Amino acid sequence: DTAVSQTPKYLVTQMGNDKSIKCEQNLGHDTMYWYKQDSKKFLKIMFSYNNKELIINETVPNRFSPKSPDKAHLNLHINSLELGDSAVYFCASSQGGGDMNTEAFFGQGTRLTVV
Amino acid sequence: KDQVFQPSTVASSEGAVVEIFCNHSVSNAYNFFWYLHFPGCAPRLLVKGSKPSQQGRYNMTYERFSSSLLILQVREADAAVYYCACPGGYNKLIFGAGTRLAVHP
Repeated sequence: DTAVSQTPKYLVTQMGNDKSIKCEQNLGHDTMYWYKQDSKKFLKIMFSYNNKELIINETVPNRFSPKSPDKAHLNLHINSLELGDSAVYFCASSQGGGDMNTEAFFGQGTRLTVV
Repeated sequence: KDQVFQPSTVASSEGAVVEIFCNHSVSNAYNFFWYLHFPGCAPRLLVKGSKPSQQGRYNMTYERFSSSLLILQVREADAAVYYCACPGGYNKLIFGAGTRLAVHP
């Protein structure tokens, strides 16, 4: 069974459209994240949710809106897509508690291409 | 500024020991995490901690602001991207840009 699964794996869309990426984890973790792999290949955190509550919002445009219906799901909705939004987006989860030694478990990524 | 630094590429021959270096400027970060990433797949944790440790063919060295990932008896199948990360606050990991490992027969 896949621990962290995100869909779709590939997404090609036109500028101005609205799209969503879904993520689910079956690890029983309290915390979920969205990371963006930018053009320089850095993995940069976008959002972090703990028990459905937003914990981290790293200066992401408000066109990006995460939604956590329950602690096993964290979806990412993007409005008015721009060319610069093209990237690979990774969902991840970890056991909560703020432990500085807590690892993150990742999904396989969604490659978003805006044309 | 909280950042993690690692070389963009490292090349090696099969059977050698490969070292990938990482250092950081992250405030209050005492741990390192090393992830393996094959493009199209989920990044996977190899080794982590605040002291030298080993998991199979993967060794991690540790200094307060730097760490190296050592891959023993490297194989062509180890060609991938290796990410170094440090904790940057509440359940937040700060990643480097990844090191692409090339392995020659």
